Amino acid sequence: EPEVTQTPSHQVTQMGQEVILRCVPISNHLYFYWYRQILGQKVEFLVSFYNNEISEKSEIFDDQFSVERPDGSNFTLKIRSTKLEDSAMYFCASSRSGLGAEAFFGQGTRLTVV
Amino acid sequence: SQKIEQNSEALNIQEGKTATLTCNYTNYSPAYLQWYRQDPGRGPVFLLLIRENEKEKRKERLKVTFDTTLKQSLFHITASQPADSATYLCALLKTSYDKVIFGPGTSLSVIP
Repeated sequence: EPEVTQTPSHQVTQMGQEVILRCVPISNHLYFYWYRQILGQKVEFLVSFYNNEISEKSEIFDDQFSVERPDGSNFTLKIRSTKLEDSAMYFCASSRSGLGAEAFFGQGTRLTVV
Repeated sequence: SQKIEQNSEALNIQEGKTATLTCNYTNYSPAYLQWYRQDPGRGPVFLLLIRENEKEKRKERLKVTFDTTLKQSLFHITASQPADSATYLCALLKTSYDKVIFGPGTSLSVIP
């Protein structure tokens, strides 16, 4: 069964450092998303990406965040200068025709900022 | 502001019974409502989607209802099994291309 793959599974970084979280969406999917979940809290939308551009972003997704689809398979989330409060589980998701259809989530990257 | 509420307490039920989880929302008019399952430390897994013009949807032991007047969805798991123990998330979308807004989730434990 096709799946969304995220790497690394766990990343520890020092405050102020840049991190890149990587995702390989399902190959025939067109819509890509990043979500985050702070421990014990609900899953929160960060950004959606379609046709090589951001289609929507939340207020969480400020200037320190960026996304990229550098080639035909990878979808990355960059956090430029990490803060302690960026510590969370980050989930990538993809769908073939928007989230009104079935959405597939990756297993997540646990980011710990120390 | 938009608000999604799910059963605030964890739900414990006996194996074989039907589990019913509730999702209520305010200040929102979703065209789609989804239910996901999330296991500890894992990503959400899509279970069911129901559209605003559908009253009920079924998939195997799962049944979802969507009442846009009450602004409520009910999620039922019949003949529950210990393997159904997980957190269940309700999620809303305004359009098929919209971001998903997740509820806080309900933790379900099915006791053998």
